[in-house]
Amino acid sequence: EPEVTQTPSHQVTQMGQEVILRCVPISNHLYFYWYRQILGQKVEFLVSFYNNEISEKSEIFDDQFSVERPDGSNFTLKIRSTKLEDSAMYFCASSVRLAGTSYEQYFGPGTRLTVT
Amino acid sequence: AQKITQTQPGMFVQEKEAVTLDCTYDTSDQSYGLFWYKQPSSGEMIFLIYQGSYDEQNATEGRYSLNFQKARKSANLVISASQLGDSAMYFCAMREYNFNKFYFGSGTKLNVKP
Repeated sequence: EPEVTQTPSHQVTQMGQEVILRCVPISNHLYFYWYRQILGQKVEFLVSFYNNEISEKSEIFDDQFSVERPDGSNFTLKIRSTKLEDSAMYFCASSVRLAGTSYEQYFGPGTRLTVT
Repeated sequence: AQKITQTQPGMFVQEKEAVTLDCTYDTSDQSYGLFWYKQPSSGEMIFLIYQGSYDEQNATEGRYSLNFQKARKSANLVISASQLGDSAMYFCAMREYNFNKFYFGSGTKLNVKP
């Protein structure tokens, strides 16, 4: 069964460093998403991406964040200068393009980012 | 205002019994979808069940069913015949027609006792 994959599973970085989280969405999916989940809290939407551009973003997704689809398979989230509060689990998700609301998002296993 | 509210931070249920996890939502859209996801301790998010706002019948998927009460804006998840492997966090989520993102609730941690 096709699945969303994410690398690395755990990333430790120092405050102020840049990190890139990588995702490989399901191959025939056209919409891509990043979410984050701070430990013990709910899942929060960061950004959605379609047709090589951001379609929606939340207030969390400030200038420190960027997304890119550098090739036909990868989807990346870059945090330019990490802060302690960026420590969280980051989930990538993808979905097929369908009209209406009846599509599910398939989530990857997550990358746990720890900023020290 | 919160789009999705889950008022039960934790629930216990005896193995083989049924359990209902509550979810209420807030939207002014007429067209929306409601989803439930399971998050085991390993951390991944597993899709369980979907209900569309125009669906007249409650959704069912195996032991999972969704008690959809549109006028009350509630979409409770019912798990029948609970199993030990059902112990996990459960998240209710919503997508509105005009927005390409999911809103998640704060989750309910379910513990199934043997």
